[in-house]
Amino acid sequence: DGGITQSPKYLFRKEGQNVTLSCEQNLNHDAMYWYRQDPGQGLRLIYYSQIVNDFQKGDIAEGYSVSREKKESFPLTVTSAQKNPTAFYLCASSIRGHNEQFFGPGTRLTVL
Amino acid sequence: EDQVTQSPEALRLQEGESSSLNCSYTVSGLRGLFWYRQDPGKGPEFLFTLYSAGEEKEKERLKATLTKKESFLHITAPKPEDSATYLCAVQAGWSNTGKLIFGQGTTLQVKP
Repeated sequence: DGGITQSPKYLFRKEGQNVTLSCEQNLNHDAMYWYRQDPGQGLRLIYYSQIVNDFQKGDIAEGYSVSREKKESFPLTVTSAQKNPTAFYLCASSIRGHNEQFFGPGTRLTVL
Repeated sequence: EDQVTQSPEALRLQEGESSSLNCSYTVSGLRGLFWYRQDPGKGPEFLFTLYSAGEEKEKERLKATLTKKESFLHITAPKPEDSATYLCAVQAGWSNTGKLIFGQGTTLQVKP
């Protein structure tokens, strides 16, 4: 089955630690995206990538980093510089040039 | 500034009681408007894309319509399994990055 997978589903982090969230897709999509979702707020774009080895900052990139070494994979690192990292993180992908984005199941990150 | 506003924030319906959700937008040229369904703790599920005023799309009990300023998601004779948060998002005409601007969502509860 084609789709997007995210792991882990739940992640706990101590203050001062960096953590990496995984996102993999087998839809052969060129574009991939990372969003953050907080209660009562709409999804906010963190980073996006339209092609391998290229990515751009979204609206709230501070404290986050990404890489895009493979078409299928777009991992997100939440660094210790992110002041309020507790949130639900969603990865999405789309065919380059098409608009519909398809989402993974999400990772809930909690800072202890 | 590009903006998406959804109303109401929450809606309670009895099973079989039809209603509509509203998505108002201001954007510099609309490239596309998207509706998603999100169940608690899960990633958004794609429902519809609308591209131009007057366009309509249907899926089971859901029908999405689009005008130049807003979109409606009509729910006919809803069932308890339609309970979810419905998200609206737009892509601006100036953007070729795939970036979506999301509203805050409408949480629908359908009681049997």
